[in-house]
Amino acid sequence: DGGITQSPKYLFRKEGQNVTLSCEQNLNHDAMYWYRQDPGQGLRLIYYSQIVNDFQKGDIAEGYSVSREKKESFPLTVTSAQKNPTAFYLCASSGRRIQETQYFGPGTRLLVL
Amino acid sequence: GENVEQHPSTLSVQEGDSAVIKCTYSDSASNYFPWYKQELGKGPQLIIDIRSNVGEKKDQRIAVTLNKTAKHFSLHITETQPEDSAVYFCAAASYDKVIFGPGTSLSVIP
Repeated sequence: DGGITQSPKYLFRKEGQNVTLSCEQNLNHDAMYWYRQDPGQGLRLIYYSQIVNDFQKGDIAEGYSVSREKKESFPLTVTSAQKNPTAFYLCASSGRRIQETQYFGPGTRLLVL
Repeated sequence: GENVEQHPSTLSVQEGDSAVIKCTYSDSASNYFPWYKQELGKGPQLIIDIRSNVGEKKDQRIAVTLNKTAKHFSLHITETQPEDSAVYFCAAASYDKVIFGPGTSLSVIP
């Protein structure tokens, strides 16, 4: 059963804590993306990676970090430098070209305690 | 910078009526235009897409039209059903970026 999985579904962060959101895909896609969605808002690009061991900042990368050690995995770390992390985080993947369809995971909701 | 405008932001229709959502883009290099449906608490799902060499595409009750000269494209849903209620996003993609519209919240009233 091919697709994108994100875990956990809900995540709680304490002040000053780093947390990592998982994203895995078995679609054999080269490119992977992380978006942030705030209530009633559209999607804002945090980071993207078109190939293993390479990634690029999106529009709102400050306070976030990523790694791409494997084709299937693209974890996102929300660092303590991100002062307003409460949001819905979406991972997506696609073929290598930007104009190819992006397929989204079910999302992770991050809440601050 | 480049952007995508989407209208209306909210739309309520009676079950069985049609719904139309319109998007306008600014990047003339855009050549791929997907539409996504997002249900509450879930990730967006692709429902239809169109490329710049095509003016219209239809899939059952859903159709998309593209006017490259005017830089706008529209989603048409006919014979709406309550399960069509969701947030719909348009997007415009060029060779180096994808820009999403802000979304339209569609409510279909039984």
